[in-house]
Formats: sequence, structure tokens, C-alpha cells
Amino acid sequence: GAGVSQTPSNKVTEKGKYVELRCDPISGHTALYWYRQSLGQGPEFLIYFQGTGAADDSGLPNDRFFAVRPEGSVSTLKIQRTERGDSAVYLCASSLTGGLARGGTQYFGPGTRLLVL
Amino acid sequence: GQQVMQIPQYQHVQEGEDFTTYCNSSTTLSNIQWYKQRPGGHPVFLIQLVKSGEVKKQKRLTFQFGEAKKNSSLHITATQTTDVGTYFCAVTDSWGKFQFGAGTQVVVTP
Repeated sequence: GAGVSQTPSNKVTEKGKYVELRCDPISGHTALYWYRQSLGQGPEFLIYFQGTGAADDSGLPNDRFFAVRPEGSVSTLKIQRTERGDSAVYLCASSLTGGLARGGTQYFGPGTRLLVL
Repeated sequence: GQQVMQIPQYQHVQEGEDFTTYCNSSTTLSNIQWYKQRPGGHPVFLIQLVKSGEVKKQKRLTFQFGEAKKNSSLHITATQTTDVGTYFCAVTDSWGKFQFGAGTQVVVTP
């Protein structure tokens, strides 16, 4: 595709439910990143994949959050037992090469707006 | 831990005027990136600075990396309504920790 795509664009769920958010990166990009952004804040780093493996998951807030990228392309962010505080925009980004430390250009998707009632 | 401050938090600018926004880190940085996010949009990469004292220009935008690699500035000349949005710096420190600042929200008055 031409850019990073994310589905769904909006997700409303009830407290305690399980949700999956999908990210389809730019074709050929080996690095994939998940962030969440609350209103008036900068994106908060969650996890970074290099290929199929999670190279840095230090930003995941707790064990209710989990992400996979089984074939090194599409990634799914999974949130168990959702809480109202999980409400935010979840952004995905990809870059051609990897490594946050290398500072590769990140291309962001439009985000998934998650609302937990 | 690493602290990243963006100043100011909000910037009201008259169309045609210049302004500068700053990004300050408590630790020495490996590199710094700047992103722009339009209202309702997603962050879009603008530039990356790596070298001490580096200055890069993109049309009316001038980006500078401090000599000590702890701060950076973004200067916009002759502001236009298309400059509306939030400008984020994103820093990587010497240990590879990556972090976005809280952003400077820019409002342009015609």
C-alpha cells in the first residue's frame, strides 16, 4: 500500500472487554512501532518490532497489553480486560530500517481511536 | 529518567510573523527528530538532526541542534495558515531510549 494503514479507525468497547487493533505497515519496512496518544500529549512509545521479534517492549504499561507480528509484516496490538484509562488514539508507525536509536524516519498510520466505556 | 520539555506549550502567531519553538532534554542526545501533526491527523516526519550544532532548512523552517546536543529549536519565518498544528520533537538519548515531547500547539491568526 501507499502508506501505513490501521483498522479499525474507531473502536468503542466496554470496560473489561478484549480488543485487537491491527496495523499494516508500508511494504518492505522491517521496523514497526506502536504508540498511544492521549489528548494534548505526544505519542507515548509502547513497543518496537524488528522483523517478527519485539526488539523493545519497555513501553507496554502492564501485562494486559501484548503485540505480535508473526510474519514480519502486519502487527496486532491486543489489550485484555480493558479499562477506561486505556482510551486513547493508538498509532502505528513503520520505518525502512530499524532501531529507534538510529533515528530512522517513521511513517505513521491514521491511528485507531479507542474508547472504553 | 530522561526529561524532554517543549517550550512553549501553545503559540499564537499572527500570519506573516516569525516564531521559534524549543525542545530541551535533561540528557545528551544521540539524535533528534521533529514531527508535525495537523489537527485530527497523525504525526508527519519533518527532519532529523544528528550532529552537534547542525542546522537544516526546509523552505521557511529552520531546525538547529545545540552544541551540547541537549536542545533543539525550530524557527518558522513568515508564518502561514498552513503551519497550524502541533510540532513534536522526538529524541533518542545515548542509551537508545526514544521519547516524544508533549508538543507545541501552533495557532495562526489570519
